[in-house]
Amino acid sequence: RKEVEQDPGPFNVPEGATVAFNCTYSNSASQSFFWYRQDCRKEPKLLMSVYSSGNEDGRFTAQLNRASQYISLLIRDSKLSDSATYLCVVIGSARQLTFGSGTQLTVLP
Amino acid sequence: NAGVTQTPKFRVLKTGQSMTLLCAQDMNHEYMYWYRQDPGMGLRLIHYSVGEGTTAKGEVPDGYNVSRLKKQNFLLGLESAAPSQTSVYFCASSSQGSSNTGELFFGEGSRLTVL
Repeated sequence: RKEVEQDPGPFNVPEGATVAFNCTYSNSASQSFFWYRQDCRKEPKLLMSVYSSGNEDGRFTAQLNRASQYISLLIRDSKLSDSATYLCVVIGSARQLTFGSGTQLTVLP
Repeated sequence: NAGVTQTPKFRVLKTGQSMTLLCAQDMNHEYMYWYRQDPGMGLRLIHYSVGEGTTAKGEVPDGYNVSRLKKQNFLLGLESAAPSQTSVYFCASSSQGSSNTGELFFGEGSRLTVL
């Protein structure tokens, strides 16, 4: 089993839709969680951290469920510019970042 | 503000050839990393460095060597390239606190093809 698993998609949604991605992790000792965004043929960039209590940044909401060992990313009112691959990142007990393979989102006009 | 710069951005090699990828950062970061990204595999850590003069193995170090002679530079070497090393290589850097903040700053990537 991979340490961090994501549904690769693709998710194709119309503009204005709400879309959610999940990411599961296998190491229960994992300490920190993040979402990165990667545009086509570009480098990954940090989108947001994921806090235990859940957190929002504009149209984006991240949540953590430690009991079920997954994190989620919700995007409301999708924009064309949200089209990208979203990478789940987990920091484990060894303090190393482990990346998921990414979920591809395409927002359609 | 350059951030993290990788050279070259594209390279085609024949099996058995050697090459070096250069990563330079101007943010005075202590930590530097080399990742490879393959379809369906996500980013996998090859080697990393926690400071000038130090290096350590990551998840997939075989076939690669690294050096960190200067704080701002992190070199990734392929001594004898193999087709399995065809990939996109990303360099990243972070401050000492990145293990808490999770923020890595990536270069634009280097696309390597080994024939």
